[in-house]
Amino acid sequence: QSVLTQPPSVSGTPGQRVTISCSGSSYNIGINYVYWYQQLPGTAPQLLIYRNNQRPSGVPDRFSGSRSGTSASLAISGLRSEDEADYYCAAWDDSLSGRLFGGGTKLTVL
Amino acid sequence: EVQLLESGGGLVQPGGSLRLSCAASGFTFTSHAMNWVRQAPGKGLEWVASIDESGDRRDHADSVKGRFTISRDNSKNTLYLQMNSLTVEDTALYYCARGTTIDTTSGVDYWGQGTLVTVSS
Repeated sequence: QSVLTQPPSVSGTPGQRVTISCSGSSYNIGINYVYWYQQLPGTAPQLLIYRNNQRPSGVPDRFSGSRSGTSASLAISGLRSEDEADYYCAAWDDSLSGRLFGGGTKLTVL
Repeated sequence: EVQLLESGGGLVQPGGSLRLSCAASGFTFTSHAMNWVRQAPGKGLEWVASIDESGDRRDHADSVKGRFTISRDNSKNTLYLQMNSLTVEDTALYYCARGTTIDTTSGVDYWGQGTLVTVSS
């Protein structure tokens, strides 16, 4: 069971805005950076957001991240069919001395 | 271009051992911590282990502590994972992933394509 809690699934129609939440604690999200990864079917994960809200070069500005207290969110605006993928949040946990991943959220574009 | 190429996966019996390797290129290996992350079939991502740039600090997940050991050879730009006492629960695709800084607590940015480990009798 992941200590970072994500909804198992979210869905939206093309053009819509969706958000994916990631709930943690004061030992992880509360004090360490949050990262978000996109995993397209059959491929390795790719970095989407680093240090809570920074986008690597090449990631569209439709993707944005935020953190508040012990929770974080990934927002995807202008939803496109190619956004259909699994999304994972991650953060270091100081009490476990380990990296945590959320359970993953499957995004379906209807 | 950052490249991470894993190798060493395969079929092994319960109780057996395997050593995974990850050959890194396209960046200064000694400027980054390195990580192993696994994904069981149809499941989510699970962090396995991290090592800092010098190899002095190593962190392992509780699920593998005492059985798996992460190491690196900076002269060969290669990351390793020695896996002993394997169980069926260790069956997964094992990814090598680069840390964003020298610190093990930093996030990961680049991922390899993974090497499949199957533990079965």
